[in-house]
Amino acid sequence: AQSVTQLGSHVSVSEGALVLLRCNYSSSVPPYLFWYVQYPNQGLQLLLKYTTGATLVKGINGFEAEFKKSETSFHLTKPSAHMSDAAEYFCAVSDYSWGKFQFGAGTQVVVTP
Amino acid sequence: DAGVTQSPTHLIKTRGQHVTLRCSPISGHKSVSWYQQVLGQGPQFIFQYYEKEERGRGNFPDRFSARQFPNYSSELNVNALLLGDSALYLCASSLAGGSGNEQFFGPGTRLTVL
Repeated sequence: AQSVTQLGSHVSVSEGALVLLRCNYSSSVPPYLFWYVQYPNQGLQLLLKYTTGATLVKGINGFEAEFKKSETSFHLTKPSAHMSDAAEYFCAVSDYSWGKFQFGAGTQVVVTP
Repeated sequence: DAGVTQSPTHLIKTRGQHVTLRCSPISGHKSVSWYQQVLGQGPQFIFQYYEKEERGRGNFPDRFSARQFPNYSSELNVNALLLGDSALYLCASSLAGGSGNEQFFGPGTRLTVL
């Protein structure tokens, strides 16, 4: 069985400050890990994914995440927040079974001027 | 190229009714997955179809069913609607069905059950 825990349902950051969103997972096999962003009234957009290889993954819009197997974590960061980063962010895990993604509960990011 | 499209955008039904939601994947994508997103929660996996066959099923009652057509579009059917079925239903398509394949999400269908 696999599961995802996102620490913090709401995060408030100042424009220009570091964005850090935490994700911990459990999986019985080496996982595939994803971060998605959802803007109001829209579907989910992939920010980045980890499958194999380099553990530091760079995504779109300046986001990156690091897979740490020993900590079962896949935290998402962005060095400098922009107002357009205000959205809900979801971490997801998938094992080798057919396409079944397990999503976390999401973290709502608010960016203040 | 067009992304994943879903219809209708919004839907209001009453308890006990039946609903059909539709999804058209990105051209060339052969796999479609369905998710339910209740307000304030992450999406929950319902079904995945690949090449018209069910490849995965989440923990949902038999009131939920789906199918995929030869053109790879898909329908999600929900019978005997309950108030708790009110949610955003998301469709995602991918080139193939494996877990490493990126899933592209549609804008969703907002279902309200009264």
